[in-house]
Amino acid sequence: GQQVMQIPQYQHVQEGEDFTTYCNSSTTLSNIQWYKQRPGGHPVFLIQLVKSGEVKKQKRLTFQFGEAKKNSSLHITATQTTDVGTYFCAGHTDKLIFGTGTRLQVFP
Amino acid sequence: DGGITQSPKYLFRKEGQNVTLSCEQNLNHDAMYWYRQDPGQGLRLIYYSQIVNDFQKGDIAEGYSVSREKKESFPLTVTSAQKNPTAFYLCASSKGDSLDTIYFGEGSWLTVV
Repeated sequence: GQQVMQIPQYQHVQEGEDFTTYCNSSTTLSNIQWYKQRPGGHPVFLIQLVKSGEVKKQKRLTFQFGEAKKNSSLHITATQTTDVGTYFCAGHTDKLIFGTGTRLQVFP
Repeated sequence: DGGITQSPKYLFRKEGQNVTLSCEQNLNHDAMYWYRQDPGQGLRLIYYSQIVNDFQKGDIAEGYSVSREKKESFPLTVTSAQKNPTAFYLCASSKGDSLDTIYFGEGSWLTVV
């Protein structure tokens, strides 16, 4: 079946360090979305990428969609404690499949 | 305010009992979803509905049932057949096309005691 895997599963960083999570699909995606879930909260939509090779930025966050539309990455520059949470990618084929998530912990 | 309302937020159930989790949306969305999230894990799709009076099984539908009698409402029943029901349950909705984003409710914590 269709799978969307994310690595790493966990990441602990010192405040100010960079962070990257990678998302890989077993099938070609029509688009990919990213969500953030704060501890104890619910997932909140961050961004959607549609085009092959697309790159989008939101302040310190950079999102990239691979040329083959089977992988994506989220990079956070100079992490802050407010970045703590679990980041999910979600790939769209005939349905939306969520990745396994990367839990980010930021130490002050 | 527009959004998705789940209730109850916390629920305790005795083994062998059915429980129903409520989900209501006033976003006029056609599609609604139920996901299960276990501690430290991702989201697994239980059921989804793209239109009133129609719904499909997701990846882990066994032991669950749903109904979609109204566009705004998509209740989930966790039956006694669900062997390990303790989890965080998330309801979500979207407009229903392929470029949709999904909006989540605040979730319901179910604990079997």
